[in-house]
Amino acid sequence: AQKITQTQPGMFVQEKEAVTLDCTYDTSDQSYGLFWYKQPSSGEMIFLIYQGSYDEQNATEGRYSLNFQKARKSANLVISASQLGDSAMYFCAMRPNNAGNMLTFGGGTRLMVKP
Amino acid sequence: DAGVIQSPRHEVTEMGQEVTLRCKPISGHDYLFWYRQTMMRGLELLIYFNNNVPIDDSGMPEDRFSAKMPNASFSTLKIQPSEPRDSAVYFCASKTGGSQPQHFGDGTRLSIL
Repeated sequence: AQKITQTQPGMFVQEKEAVTLDCTYDTSDQSYGLFWYKQPSSGEMIFLIYQGSYDEQNATEGRYSLNFQKARKSANLVISASQLGDSAMYFCAMRPNNAGNMLTFGGGTRLMVKP
Repeated sequence: DAGVIQSPRHEVTEMGQEVTLRCKPISGHDYLFWYRQTMMRGLELLIYFNNNVPIDDSGMPEDRFSAKMPNASFSTLKIQPSEPRDSAVYFCASKTGGSQPQHFGDGTRLSIL
């Protein structure tokens, strides 16, 4: 079974600064995908970024980047130049490639951006 | 492009009543997922379909829950009879094959009184 751990229930960051949200995972699978989703207070789930376990480069999408350390089984999300609109819950998720597309989610981190 | 569409957005009903949640996946997506989100348990996968066929329903809490996908553009999640502990936000998501991400609907906030 897979397990995703997000150890930071809540975090503050000053506007325009960078912030790192932690995610560690536990799996015996060699091939898997890692995802980050954002859930603002309005409730929708927004896909942010994807990293494949065999990707050699860390994924980047605009102000989002994923610090992937396979040996440590960590997939931290880095948000650069934080904006007030970044205040939300952030979920890390994993999908083993032999698990039929099923995602396992972590418990989430609530990020609050201070003006 | 239209995203995943869920209805209703909010549902308030009394315990014992039947509840039906609806989902229209993104056109061309052949996987559809139903999730439940609560404060206590977080996001839980209830069931998912591939090409309209249920593949894994191990997350369905009990026989009161059922899900169908009669065609590629429509799915329902039904609770009968509903109980207060079923109160949660229910999400539908869809995706294509391979490493593509799941795209979520806006969710249905269900309150059972």
